[in-house]
Amino acid sequence: GQQLNQSPQSMFIQEGEDVSMNCTSSSIFNTWLWYKQDPGEGPVLLIALYKAGELTSNGRLTAQFGITRKDSFLNISASIPSDVGIYFCAGRVGSGGSNYKLTFGKGTLLTVNP
Amino acid sequence: DTGVSQNPRHKITKRGQNVTFRCDPISEHNRLYWYRQTLGQGPEFLTYFQNEAQLEKSRLLSDRFSAERPKGSFSTLEIQRTEQGDSAMYLCASSFIGLTYEQYFGPGTRLTVT
Repeated sequence: GQQLNQSPQSMFIQEGEDVSMNCTSSSIFNTWLWYKQDPGEGPVLLIALYKAGELTSNGRLTAQFGITRKDSFLNISASIPSDVGIYFCAGRVGSGGSNYKLTFGKGTLLTVNP
Repeated sequence: DTGVSQNPRHKITKRGQNVTFRCDPISEHNRLYWYRQTLGQGPEFLTYFQNEAQLEKSRLLSDRFSAERPKGSFSTLEIQRTEQGDSAMYLCASSFIGLTYEQYFGPGTRLTVT
């Protein structure tokens, strides 16, 4: 099935560093979402973006909805060991409750060295 | 709110056997989704329900797969005559049509077909 292009595939950083990852698509999405998944668990919603150009923060996390509606970015500031996990972007074509199906990227594996 | 729950968390079965998974959504969520996730990939959409009606099935959902949501609450996903290629994490998510409609995932059921 269709998947988004997410990069980088993995990152190894030192505690306290900032992290950036991004997601691109050949198709337009009207909603972008970022999830985090720990081993053996389901994805947990971090941030949802609904408008092109929107910049939204959730604590140390900041995400942006690209102007072209074909990309999104996630930044994590001052990383801590519990940030370790796999970060997934997801896009949805519809807006509001009128659509449902999420298309996911392959994920970015983040490792934080204390 | 209790979150989405899934049972069992792990299932090991021999090829050719039938298996059934259960998902209990967040109470009052009227939409329920099934996704499949293989190693190194993001979740892929399988099917979704609005109340008890199954409204879409992905091409990934072969005729060996069947999903039900008989009373619009919990859902079951059955796989008949399992194959080794069915080994994956099966994730359930739920959402509510209203002010917030994002999908919240359960912990998943890890299926291993030997």
